[in-house]
Amino acid sequence: DGGITQSPKYLFRKEGQNVTLSCEQNLNHDAMYWYRQDPGQGLRLIYYSQIVNDFQKGDIAEGYSVSREKKESFPLTVTSAQKNPTAFYLCASSLTGTSGDFTDTQYFGPGTRLTVL
Amino acid sequence: QKEVEQDPGPLSVPEGAIVSLNCTYSNSAFQYFMWYRQYSRKGPELLMYTYSSGNKEDGRFTAQVDKSSKYISLFIRDSQPSDSATYLCAMSGTGNQFYFGTGTSLTVIP
Repeated sequence: DGGITQSPKYLFRKEGQNVTLSCEQNLNHDAMYWYRQDPGQGLRLIYYSQIVNDFQKGDIAEGYSVSREKKESFPLTVTSAQKNPTAFYLCASSLTGTSGDFTDTQYFGPGTRLTVL
Repeated sequence: QKEVEQDPGPLSVPEGAIVSLNCTYSNSAFQYFMWYRQYSRKGPELLMYTYSSGNKEDGRFTAQVDKSSKYISLFIRDSQPSDSATYLCAMSGTGNQFYFGTGTSLTVIP
């Protein structure tokens, strides 16, 4: 089955800790995205990557970091600098990420719910 | 002003009703319009997409785009309890960024 997987499903973080959220896709998509979803605020873009070894900041990148060493993997690290990290984190991918063509429609993973203790 | 505005609801309808969900937007460069369905604590799943203006139908779902009014709609006919979810509109232009509405929560009562 082709798709996007995220792990873990639930994650708890203590104050001052860095945590890493996993995102893997086997759709052979070039582009991958990380969003944060908070109640009443919709999806906000954290980082995106159109190609291996390259990524760009989204609207709310502060306190987060990413890497794209492999086409199928795009892990997100929530650092201690992120002051309000409790949220639902969604990873998505699209075929190329370089145009608005419908082949670039985004497909989402099941999400990771992060809670700060 | 937000790029995309969506009424958050909540919207509650009886089973079998016709549901209308709507979004407005401000960027005239948007050409691609999508609707996602998101069940509680799950990732969004793509439901419908349309290009430019016009209608697209898929079973009980119809997506409508009116670019002149910067207004898109999703209609659900013969609504079912399994349609209870949050519906997100999304749109993009020629760039690589998608813009999402905040979502409308729908409950279909048996």
